[in-house]
Amino acid sequence: GAVVSQHPSWVICKSGTSVKIECRSLDFQATTMFWYRQFPKQSLMLMATSNEGSKATYEQGVEKDKFLINHASLTLSTLTVTSAHPEDSSFYICSAKLAGDTGELFFGEGSRLTVL
Amino acid sequence: GQNIDQPTEMTATEGAIVQINCTYQTSGFNGLFWYQQHAGEAPTFLSYNVLDGLEEKGRFSSFLSRSKGYSYLLLKELQMKDSASYLCAAMDSNYQLIWGAGTKLIIKP
Repeated sequence: GAVVSQHPSWVICKSGTSVKIECRSLDFQATTMFWYRQFPKQSLMLMATSNEGSKATYEQGVEKDKFLINHASLTLSTLTVTSAHPEDSSFYICSAKLAGDTGELFFGEGSRLTVL
Repeated sequence: GQNIDQPTEMTATEGAIVQINCTYQTSGFNGLFWYQQHAGEAPTFLSYNVLDGLEEKGRFSSFLSRSKGYSYLLLKELQMKDSASYLCAAMDSNYQLIWGAGTKLIIKP
């Protein structure tokens, strides 16, 4: 099946710094990628929908200036958490959807961010 | 509004059968997904139903009733490795997934 790779898997950073997380579709082209955040014992929360070559669509309540999403190519989307704070500590997961498919999503491994 | 309901937690015995229910209300409907998520890992796809009825895939089966806004995931011959959260997600008319909070399944020996 389709493979989505996410990097890094773990990141620890100091408060106030920025962290970039990459999401790559390894064996298919993904025109649409999704970014989720998941707090412990909670469900996935969609943060934004990333479309190649255009601006991301953010969900209500997600600060687009804080969570910068870039989808510059058909195989790569990046999420940058700017000026990270401890409350941003979470599990960030990306997924990609095959074009024209039933909508099945292929997930990256997830990135656990800890902000000290 | 759009809403997905599923039980928070269920407990079952190794070797037994368990059914996890999910009810949904969405603006339009383009299918119902079930995902398995082990703690600390990303979800993995289990099933997709868009037509009424039962879809069987090995030990796992998924059922859909569109008229009732209802689905269930049936797990047979439970194994300890089946201990995980099971996420129900419905796709609305805009092809957006609406996620349930997940059902934590605990398997006891």
